[in-house]
This record gives sequence, C-alpha cells and structure tokens, in this order.
Amino acid sequence: GENVEQHPSTLSVQEGDSAVIKCTYSDSASNYFPWYKQELGKRPQLIIDIRSNVGEKKDQRIAVTLNKTAKHFSLHITETQPEDSAVYFCAASTTGGFKTIFGAGTRLFVKA
Amino acid sequence: ETGVTQSPTHLIKTRGQQVTLRCSSQSGHNTVSWYQQALGQGPQFIFQYYREEENGRGNFPPRFSGLQFPNYSSELNVNALELDDSALYLCASSSARGKNIQYFGAGTRLSVL
Repeated sequence: GENVEQHPSTLSVQEGDSAVIKCTYSDSASNYFPWYKQELGKRPQLIIDIRSNVGEKKDQRIAVTLNKTAKHFSLHITETQPEDSAVYFCAASTTGGFKTIFGAGTRLFVKA
Repeated sequence: ETGVTQSPTHLIKTRGQQVTLRCSSQSGHNTVSWYQQALGQGPQFIFQYYREEENGRGNFPPRFSGLQFPNYSSELNVNALELDDSALYLCASSSARGKNIQYFGAGTRLSVL
C-alpha cells in the first residue's frame, strides 16, 4: 500500500543552526505535500505545503523542496529558534486531499 | 483558531463498548477526514466524507464507521472497542475552494480500559 517514510525520527540542533527533514512517498499519484507542526498536546498545524507543479517553496525561515522523479520532498528550517521545538509531520495526498498519508514524524529539539 | 471543533475532549471506555465522536467542520468546508493518532506516531487515515458520503477509506475494520450531516458536521463511531483503539482521534475539514488544505481539530483522546 501507499506509505510515506520520514527521517530522521529525532533531530537535535543548536539555536541558529539549520534543520532538514526528509520524506519519501510511494504513490506516484500523489500531488500535494503538506508539512504539519504538532506541539505537545495540541493539534497539527499546517506550516507549509507544496504541489507537484512546483519544485520549491519558501516562507520566511521555512522552505520545502520536491523531487517528483525521485519521490522525495524535504523541509528546511533556517535560523532555528527554541520555539521551533516540536514534532513535524510530512504528508502526501492526491487532489482533494483524499487519503492523506502521514510520515511517522520527526521530533525536533532546538537547544538554546 | 481554525474553527474545527471536536467533542468530547477526553473519553474513557471499557473493552467491548461503543463510542461516538463528533466533529464540527470549519465554516464553508464540505469535506471531513478522520484520523487515528497513536502515541508517538503520525496520524493514520480512517476515512473521508464529502457531501454526506464516504469518499475513501484507510486500512481500518468495518467496526469503524462514520456519518456526515447536511451541515457537514461528522461523527465517528467505533463498535466493539479494543485496547488498541486507545489513541487521539483527529478530524480535519477542507474544501475545494480552500485548495483542499486540511485544518485539524484539537482531537478526542480515547482511552480503552
């Protein structure tokens, strides 16, 4: 079946450093790739997304890249801050958000 | 505040019982998806409802069922509860006009004893 693999499962960085989280998807029909941030005990919050007709998207300190040929997409956070500490999930879905498949999550620790 | 609300916030049931969870979608959203999130894992897709009909289903047994109402709110029903059903249940609403971006509710934490 379809799946999304996410690495690493845990990531620890110093404040101000960059963090990179990588995902691989299996369903070639996937064309929408959102990233969610989930703080402890809270709901997943969309932080950035990318669609298959775009290779890269940036929003301030956050960027996402997509390689459809390799079925890879990545989240890049620059100038990390302690408030970036959370669990980050990548996901893949087809048009309409039908059957969105999530990765297992990456727990990011940003040390002050 | 995203506008997606879920009730109840917490629930404790015993094995074999039945449970109903509720979700009110964000205004203007006609699609609701349900997810199960076990501790330390990513959300797992249960099913999606669009205009009161099931629009797709993940790998969950038939004892997981749902409904969507004319106002697009939704229910998740789980029969014959098992210990492994203990999890956070999330709903997310979306719409084509909103580019199908999903907004999550805060979830219902279900504990099965």
